[in-house]
Amino acid sequence: DGGITQSPKYLFRKEGQNVTLSCEQNLNHDAMYWYRQDPGQGLRLIYYSQIVNDFQKGDIAEGYSVSREKKESFPLTVTSAQKNPTAFYLCASTLGTRSTDTQYFGPGTRLTVL
Amino acid sequence: GIQVEQSPPDLILQEGANSTLRCNFSDSVNNLQWFHQNPWGQLINLFYIPSGTKQNGRLSATTVATERYSLLYISSSQTTDSGVYFCAVEGRRRGSTLGRLYFGRGTQLTVWP
Repeated sequence: DGGITQSPKYLFRKEGQNVTLSCEQNLNHDAMYWYRQDPGQGLRLIYYSQIVNDFQKGDIAEGYSVSREKKESFPLTVTSAQKNPTAFYLCASTLGTRSTDTQYFGPGTRLTVL
Repeated sequence: GIQVEQSPPDLILQEGANSTLRCNFSDSVNNLQWFHQNPWGQLINLFYIPSGTKQNGRLSATTVATERYSLLYISSSQTTDSGVYFCAVEGRRRGSTLGRLYFGRGTQLTVWP
């Protein structure tokens, strides 16, 4: 089945540790996105990538890093510099960057910092 | 970026009732999408509707781009309609990033049997 997978579903981290969230898609989509969602809030864009080996900062990139070495993969690293990392993280992709392209979302990863 | 405001923030309905959710946006848009997030966190695209009206079963949406708002109608609501409904837009002005969506805070819908 085609779709977006994120792993793990739940992640617990101690303060001061870096952690990497996985996002894989087999839709052959060019563009991929990472969002953060806090309780009662909308989605805020962390990073996005429109093509392999290129990515751009979103509105809240501080304390996060990404890579896009393969078309199907867009991992997100939450570093120790992120002051309040506990949140729900969603990965999405689109076929391209045309306005008509709809976004498809993965199931999300819930990160809790202990 | 574009400001997106959704109302009401919370809505509680009895099964079978109808409802209207509203999305206001602050600038011209190329793209407007409605999403449903289920209680487990999965987001599903409902409509791509930068202008005009579309219908899909019990759901329909209307966007009046000149007045910068969109409405999502849910008729004969069911318990499975519960969740959060998000509106997201992409700006049209020069300098806007293609494919980048700005999300509202959502409307939390609870449908009771």
